[in-house]
Amino acid sequence: DADVTQTPRNRITKTGKRIMLECSQTKGHDRMYWYRQDPGLGLRLIYYSFDVKDINKGEISDGYSVSRQAQAKFSLSLESAIPNQTALYFCATSDFLPGAGITGELFFGEGSRLTVL
Amino acid sequence: QKEVEQNSGPLSVPEGAIASLNCTYSDRGSQSFFWYRQYSGKSPELIMFIYSNGDKEDGRFTAQLNKASQYVSLLIRDSQPSDSATYLCAVNIGGSWGKLQFGAGTQVVVTP
Repeated sequence: DADVTQTPRNRITKTGKRIMLECSQTKGHDRMYWYRQDPGLGLRLIYYSFDVKDINKGEISDGYSVSRQAQAKFSLSLESAIPNQTALYFCATSDFLPGAGITGELFFGEGSRLTVL
Repeated sequence: QKEVEQNSGPLSVPEGAIASLNCTYSDRGSQSFFWYRQYSGKSPELIMFIYSNGDKEDGRFTAQLNKASQYVSLLIRDSQPSDSATYLCAVNIGGSWGKLQFGAGTQVVVTP
């Protein structure tokens, strides 16, 4: 099983619908992130959470909300989906232990492809 | 202005040759730099990270960092068709551990 699991992997929905993308991890990391990827724009940070009680907006948070239900679970919601939210969404985790060989790298889930019609 | 810049490519490289990828960044407080490889439709996977000025080698990959000039590069030696992918440069933002900003990626195509 993947260390970072996203559900659903693919979703087609209509404008105005509420959508939730879920992410769970077994890596034991405190830090979790949601990115979206669009062709030519790379990965852009939507929200991030450094622990269960710490949630922060990224560079493109408008139209999105998140919930950190537990250390291992971080969900992204689109309250009222619109077509320009069509994208590939990635959840990621990272460790936080400067030194001791911890690189601060991100570990990604397999992605959730969302299409809003 | 995007804070992490990469040439989008595609960069066409003959098999066996060296692929050279460049990345510039604007945040002088950045301390950690990463190169991810992403195959089409797949998630990014880390291939190199570097913290200190100079070169870091791992197998066929060499990362080069120059903080004074604010650029980081990746060399792929003896390029193979399996190296055909998009390479993403990532830089930590404002010194925040784990919070990374990505470039748009450089597509590399290795031709037999």
